[in-house]
Amino acid sequence: AQTVTQSQPEMSVQEAETVTLSCTYDTSENNYYLFWYKQPPSRQMILVIRQEAYKQQNATENRFSVNFQKAAKSFSLKISDSQLGDTAMYFCAFMKRLQGAQKLVFGQGTRLTINP
Amino acid sequence: DAGVTQSPTHLIKTRGQQVTLRCSPKSGHDTVSWYQQALGQGPQFIFQYYEEEERQRGNFPDRFSGHQFPNYSSELNVNALLLGDSALYLCASSRPRGGRVETQYFGPGTRLLVL
Repeated sequence: AQTVTQSQPEMSVQEAETVTLSCTYDTSENNYYLFWYKQPPSRQMILVIRQEAYKQQNATENRFSVNFQKAAKSFSLKISDSQLGDTAMYFCAFMKRLQGAQKLVFGQGTRLTINP
Repeated sequence: DAGVTQSPTHLIKTRGQQVTLRCSPKSGHDTVSWYQQALGQGPQFIFQYYEEEERQRGNFPDRFSGHQFPNYSSELNVNALLLGDSALYLCASSRPRGGRVETQYFGPGTRLLVL
């Protein structure tokens, strides 16, 4: 079974700073996908960024980028120029690539607070 | 373009009762997954529906059941409620094709409190 571990329960940074959230996972699969989801206090889960394991290039989405280390099974999220609206719970998630059903396996989350 | 919608937003039940939660997928999506998120935890996969059939199930007892309708909307039913069923129930929709992973889009959730 796959497991996802987020070792930082809480983080806090000042606005405009850069912050990195850690995620490690355990799997014997070779084809899979990794995601970072954001859940603001209003609670709707929003996709931040996704990474396909077969792609060596790290994914980026504006101020959000990942550092994907497949051999180390590490998938960290970097937020540059952090904004107050980035305050949220951040979840790292894993999905096997297979036909049919595809379920997400989530980590425990990191509560990120951006201070003014 | 309507996103994933869920109803109701909040629900209070007592132990032993039964509850039904509803989900309408994002336009164009035909697959619905349900997750349970306990307070302070990451979501846990309950099951997934595609073509009106349960396609995969997580580690949840048979008290949790579901249904998918021809219009792709879905219901989650929980019987014989326990205090431990108190959680945020999230619905996610997607449109996976040919093994290609499609992103799951989440609804706002239903907050269930069992007293």
